[in-house]
Amino acid sequence: QQQVKQSPQSLIVQKGGISIINCAYENTAFDYFPWYQQFPGKGPALLIAIRPDVSEKKEGRFTISFNKSAKQFSLHIMDSQPGDSATYFCAASTGFQKLVFGTGTRLLVSP
Amino acid sequence: EAEVAQSPRYKITEKSQAVAFWCDPISGHATLYWYRQILGQGPELLVQFQDESVVDDSQLPKDRFSAERLKGVDSTLKIQPAELGDSAMYLCASSYSAGNTDTQYFGPGTRLTVL
Repeated sequence: QQQVKQSPQSLIVQKGGISIINCAYENTAFDYFPWYQQFPGKGPALLIAIRPDVSEKKEGRFTISFNKSAKQFSLHIMDSQPGDSATYFCAASTGFQKLVFGTGTRLLVSP
Repeated sequence: EAEVAQSPRYKITEKSQAVAFWCDPISGHATLYWYRQILGQGPELLVQFQDESVVDDSQLPKDRFSAERLKGVDSTLKIQPAELGDSAMYLCASSYSAGNTDTQYFGPGTRLTVL
């Protein structure tokens, strides 16, 4: 029940395209859903996060869509750029409990 | 911009040897986390400190792993003895407090290879 399932495992998108990564969870107590971006040789860095009281949050080219009834949330990267090539992790937590991470999606944006 | 510092960045050791990793969190951050990230997977929390106290070590293999944060600032994670299955990236993160909406800032990690 603590798992966060993430798909796809890898993704190739052309420059300018839309990248979409999906996550699903079971624990309805989760109330915080961040996305992290990780470049090779670096630690993950917070990209954008959402609380379940809103269905969408946008920051620049990055948007989180949240579907509470389906227990799913997704990351959309608009106008994808080669510099967006990285591994993306969704995560979830509740209150003061630990972050539970998904298994990651390796995104490659081709020039 | 303040960053979480970790050392060493890379460590190669033989099975049954002892290894230690060091982490210096962002100044003023009371909460410190150690994660293990196996290749191709997401980070998994090993231990969480609030100041110098452990608040969650439920996933720490206590027969061989130990962690301390004696003065509530920097922290050391030790493995003794190392096993082949310990090969992974060990990430340290810190946050201002333990609330789940407080951003966790990650260091660059220590990549451990056990031969």
